[in-house]
Order: sequence, then C-alpha cells, then structure tokens
Amino acid sequence: QQNVQQSPESLIVPEGARTSLNCTFSDSASQYFWWYRQHSGKAPKALMSIFSNGEKEEGRFTIHLNKASLHFSLHIRDSQPSDSALYLCAVRTSSGQKLVFGQGTILKVYL
Amino acid sequence: NAGVIQTPRHKVTGKGQEATLWCEPISGHSAVFWYRQTIVQGLEFLTYFRNQAPIDDSGMPKERFSAQMPNQSHSTLKIQSTQPQDSAVYLCASSHSSNSDYTFGSGTRLLVI
Repeated sequence: QQNVQQSPESLIVPEGARTSLNCTFSDSASQYFWWYRQHSGKAPKALMSIFSNGEKEEGRFTIHLNKASLHFSLHIRDSQPSDSALYLCAVRTSSGQKLVFGQGTILKVYL
Repeated sequence: NAGVIQTPRHKVTGKGQEATLWCEPISGHSAVFWYRQTIVQGLEFLTYFRNQAPIDDSGMPKERFSAQMPNQSHSTLKIQSTQPQDSAVYLCASSHSSNSDYTFGSGTRLLVI
C-alpha cells in the first residue's frame, strides 16, 4: 500500500524567496511523479512531472527526484504571491494508473 | 475544450438521503477517476474506469457507494443513505493515457446535514 507524505504542512515565505517542498513515498516500484497545485476553491492542476532520476526545470520551478531515497521535491525560485496555494505531490506505480496523493503543503507568499 | 465538467457544484442532503454526482470527462480521454477531498484526509482515491470499464474501486466504501460509466461521455457516483462523514468535495478527473496529467473538474461540494 503506497504511503505518500509531504513536508512541511505549511510554509510562509516573503516574495522573492526560494521555496522547497518535499515528498516521500513508500513503494520502491513507483515510476511516475507529479506536483499539482490547487488554488483556494479551484481544481487541482498539474504543475510538473518527472519520470526518471535527476532534475527537471520549467521556468521558476524545478523538480528533483531520487528514487533510491524514495524522495522527490519541488523548488520554486523567486516565489510570487500568485504561487500561494495548496501543493500536492502524487505518485504512480508502473502496474496501476491511479495516482496516490500526499496530504499537501499550504504555501503562502507575502509581499 | 470545456474541461472536465462536474454537476452539481454544491449539494446539500439530509442524513439518510441519496446523492448522485455527475462527471463529464474530456472527450477522447480514456481514463476517468473519482477522488474525495477533505481537510483531514486530503485527496483520497475512490475508483477509476478505463475505456468505460471499472478497473479499481479499492477506495470505495463498499456498502453505500457505487460508481458507473454507462458511456464515454459521463460517469456517476452514487451515495446511498448519506451520512455526515460523507461531507466532502468529490473530484472527478480524466486523463488521456497512463503517463498523462490528470485534468480535474471543479468538484461537487457535498454537505450532509
């Protein structure tokens, strides 16, 4: 049974800061990893995904995956107030199609 | 592309009543998923369909919850004899393939009083 845990539960940072969000998973057969972002009252929306060890950068966002450590992370450079949201990590194994989500990290970026 | 459409947006039912939630996935997406979101439990998987066939319902409370996908254009989640603990946002998502992002609908906020 896949167990996905996120840390921290919440984070408050000033505008312009670098923010790091963490996700650990329990199933070593996991092969596909996502970060979703959910603004208040809205649907979760896919932000980035990674399928192999290493780093992937898209604009201000970077995903880092270390399968051996059962860990992946999301880093936000130059955080903006519009980044304030609930961030959800999600993991899928190769055998199934469903995503298992973490509990989420609430990020607030203040001016 | 209107995205994944869920109706109703809000539903209030009395304890013991039935609730039916509707989802229209994105045309051409072969997989449809149902999740439930609460503050305490987060985003919990309920069930999913691939090409209209039920694949995994391991997250469904067996006795009162059921889901169907009678055609490729809609899926329903039915909750019989609703209880206050069923109060949550029910989210439907669809995806094109196994490696694709999910696209979520805006959800149905169910309140059981």
